[in-house]
Amino acid sequence: QITLKESGPTLVKPTQTLTLTCTFSGFSLSTSGVGVGWIRQPPGKALEWLVVIYWDDNKRYSPSLKNRLSITKDTSKNQVVLTVTDMDPVDTATYYCAYILYGVPGLWGPGTLVTVSS
Amino acid sequence: EIVLTQSPATLSMSPGERATLSCRASHSINTYLAWYRQNPGQAPRLLIYDASNRATGIPARFSGSGSGTDFTLTISSLEPEDLAVYFCQQRSSWPWTFGQGTKVEIK
Repeated sequence: QITLKESGPTLVKPTQTLTLTCTFSGFSLSTSGVGVGWIRQPPGKALEWLVVIYWDDNKRYSPSLKNRLSITKDTSKNQVVLTVTDMDPVDTATYYCAYILYGVPGLWGPGTLVTVSS
Repeated sequence: EIVLTQSPATLSMSPGERATLSCRASHSINTYLAWYRQNPGQAPRLLIYDASNRATGIPARFSGSGSGTDFTLTISSLEPEDLAVYFCQQRSSWPWTFGQGTKVEIK
């Protein structure tokens, strides 16, 4: 059974750096064809892909946020870490991580709401 | 960036009715389109991938069709849990993008 769960702070101040961790089970991020992605959803709005990391450490970043995002994986801990720098109130959103197999995002974590406010 | 436009924005339906949702891409995406259902307070759940393939555990009342730029999600007979927001998403080219969603609500 595949599960994913996001963790990190629920409140950050403007200009701070957000660090979120996706802890997963039921698959290995060293298996060919596997990836983990991050998606966010501002309250009441649509979804936005942020970044994907693949089993071979290939990474794809959203062009609009590329300068602010960083993603790493720890295969031994079954974790993927997302870093977003220079947070702003417009970055307030629920952040999801998702399991990707051969390009299909098949299963998502429950999400974590991050609020940016001073 | 490929823009996905969903219609209608809201669909007022009753349980048992047939629902048809549309997603149009700004450029051809072959069949690299997925559909998700998002119930209130929950994460999106994959229903259909690659335009017409049901994901694991998804009931047969959900079907998808289309290719190129025009796609359809059909729910043959609405169940109460289907009253939700539906998103389409393309993986033809990066950045992957979502439509703005169609809300299926109680008439």
